[in-house]
Amino acid sequence: ETGVTQTPRHLVMGMTNKKSLKCEQHLGHNAMYWYKQSAKKPLELMFVYNFKEQTENNSVPSRFSPECPNSSHLFLHLHTLQPEDSALYLCASSPGGGRTNYGYTFGSGTRLTVV
Amino acid sequence: DQQVKQNSPSLSVQEGRISILNCDYTNSMFDYFLWYKKYPAEGPTFLISISSIKDKNEDGRFTVFLNKSAKHLSLHIVPSQPGDSAVYFCAARGNNNNDMRFGAGTRLTVKP
Repeated sequence: ETGVTQTPRHLVMGMTNKKSLKCEQHLGHNAMYWYKQSAKKPLELMFVYNFKEQTENNSVPSRFSPECPNSSHLFLHLHTLQPEDSALYLCASSPGGGRTNYGYTFGSGTRLTVV
Repeated sequence: DQQVKQNSPSLSVQEGRISILNCDYTNSMFDYFLWYKKYPAEGPTFLISISSIKDKNEDGRFTVFLNKSAKHLSLHIVPSQPGDSAVYFCAARGNNNNDMRFGAGTRLTVKP
């Protein structure tokens, strides 16, 4: 399988649940990203991993916890979320290693609903 | 702080005509600009980009124009096709490739 794959595609969870989103890329990229897309808002950068090291945490609440065990996999662990966290969560990857002129490759996203 | 703005949430165009999508930015340190296209239930896909040293980049039916003095860029699609109907995101990159900011998107509808 090629490209960036995200699972699950849809997730409904209660505010007391714990769940994880998974992202996998088979592009040989070294940088991976989590973005949040809320309705009618810009994509918001949440976390950046470059060569498995977290290089950016864009003031994201601690109820979101990223994990990058290797350069091909990225997780977003969720716990005690709020209804306003309902959104489309997108994973992306890029060659990484500094400035490049490549666009990001995005996954199809996980549509999260917090009830 | 929304550094990349797409002020038109939607645009409707007749098939065969030109579609012009606009984007404004506020950060003069942005040096690379991109357009992404997103279909429902799919992630955004990279469409076309332009470096700040250029004012135009063309790829088939798609042309991006950059006006640095106005901090404005636009995407022209000509001729527009029904398959171009999607949400288009403008993005701008700052000092490193990890600092990419996106607009809120413009939904383009091309009517047959």
